[in-house]
Amino acid sequence: GAGVSQSPSNKVTEKGKDVELRCDPISGHTALYWYRQSLGQGLEFLIYFQGNSAPDKSGLPSDRFSAERTGGSVSTLTIQRTQQEDSAVYLCASSATGGGSYEQYFGPGTRLTVT
Amino acid sequence: DAKTTQPTSMDCAEGRAANLPCNHSTISGNEYVYWYRQIHSQGPQYIIHGLKNNETNEMASLIITEDRKSSTLILPHATLRDTAVYYCIVRRTGSNDYKLSFGAGTTVTVRA
Repeated sequence: GAGVSQSPSNKVTEKGKDVELRCDPISGHTALYWYRQSLGQGLEFLIYFQGNSAPDKSGLPSDRFSAERTGGSVSTLTIQRTQQEDSAVYLCASSATGGGSYEQYFGPGTRLTVT
Repeated sequence: DAKTTQPTSMDCAEGRAANLPCNHSTISGNEYVYWYRQIHSQGPQYIIHGLKNNETNEMASLIITEDRKSSTLILPHATLRDTAVYYCIVRRTGSNDYKLSFGAGTTVTVRA
């Protein structure tokens, strides 16, 4: 079946502009995660959605970052007033349900470059 | 999560077994050993995990030492498509243990 999809695959933006990154999880998966991976860095957790529960936003690096998940499916990560340090690959993952014992399936990522 | 130590890189020959080591000397009793890989320009992919016993699936085998302080991921017949960064992590699997975190991993290059 279809995996996790993300769009766009690449985004180049000027410093100070807003960007929106989209994630389509695997159909039926109730849990959705956003991570980012900077050049030479490891995986950094950003936010977690599980069903109708309040999202875990503890990994968002600043209030310029926000995410929403509409209808329990598609999610959008928004970065306002982008800075050069926001340049990274933004990865979305989904799992059948929440918690640590369910496998997370990752999308291909969106490579964001802030100039 | 407890830390892991992996070699920075390794080469292996196509068609041969690739043995990837990982040290996790401070692993706790309720932590599992997980392996993921990330092929260039793709998202991470789950490979295998285990607690104490050796595990095998269609992708790989995982050998965990009796004291659980180290493990080895075995790719039985490496192909060029196995070239990737391989991450070994230790993690709990409770309801609040959903945040994955990877280190630098081992860059594996399979050569023809």
